Amino acid sequence: DTEVTQTPKHLVMGMTNKKSLKCEQHMGHRAMYWYKQKAKKPPELMFVYSYEKLSINESVPSRFSPECPNSSLLNLHLHALQPEDSALYLCASSQNSRAGYTFGSGTRLTVV
Amino acid sequence: QKEVEQNSGPLSVPEGAIASLNCTYSDRGSQSFFWYRQYSGKSPELIMSIYSNGDKEDGRFTAQLNKASQYVSLLIRDSQPSDSATYLCAVNIDGNTPLVFGKGTRLSVIA
Repeated sequence: DTEVTQTPKHLVMGMTNKKSLKCEQHMGHRAMYWYKQKAKKPPELMFVYSYEKLSINESVPSRFSPECPNSSLLNLHLHALQPEDSALYLCASSQNSRAGYTFGSGTRLTVV
Repeated sequence: QKEVEQNSGPLSVPEGAIASLNCTYSDRGSQSFFWYRQYSGKSPELIMSIYSNGDKEDGRFTAQLNKASQYVSLLIRDSQPSDSATYLCAVNIDGNTPLVFGKGTRLSVIA
């Protein structure tokens, strides 16, 4: 299995909703990442988990809450988002960054 | 500040021509280099990785690395309209830090 699976593919949520994005990989990769990407911009790093522990938080607002329940799963919990948070959310994994990343297909999030 | 620079484009080439995309990086200690292709609305897809000076070929794609000049390039031979996408250059400083991405070059192949 050489894939990173993200669900859902599309999500529309209101500003008072709570929702979660899910990411799963079965490649034995030790690092997992959340990125946010706006149209015509490069991916912007949000969080890095290494060996199931949060190692990098790029000063992301607390309305985004990551969770790594085990080495194969990564969640991103969303609460009280703003319309400007609408973007493509990408999950990636790697054995180490020297080997590059495998990206999931992304979740297209729209906040209304 | 570790930076990766790319010309944002758009780079327009006729079908069948060679497309040349360039990337420069600031950290001389960078170890590994990647090219990702991203179609509009889709996620990035790794198409080439290169670790040592010289050329690396895979089908119609050739990655070139020159560590002394701190640049990496991607050549696409016999460009096809299906190659129209944004190409992201990414650089790894060491195995424990995240990749640093350039802003991407938008390629348009005209039939």
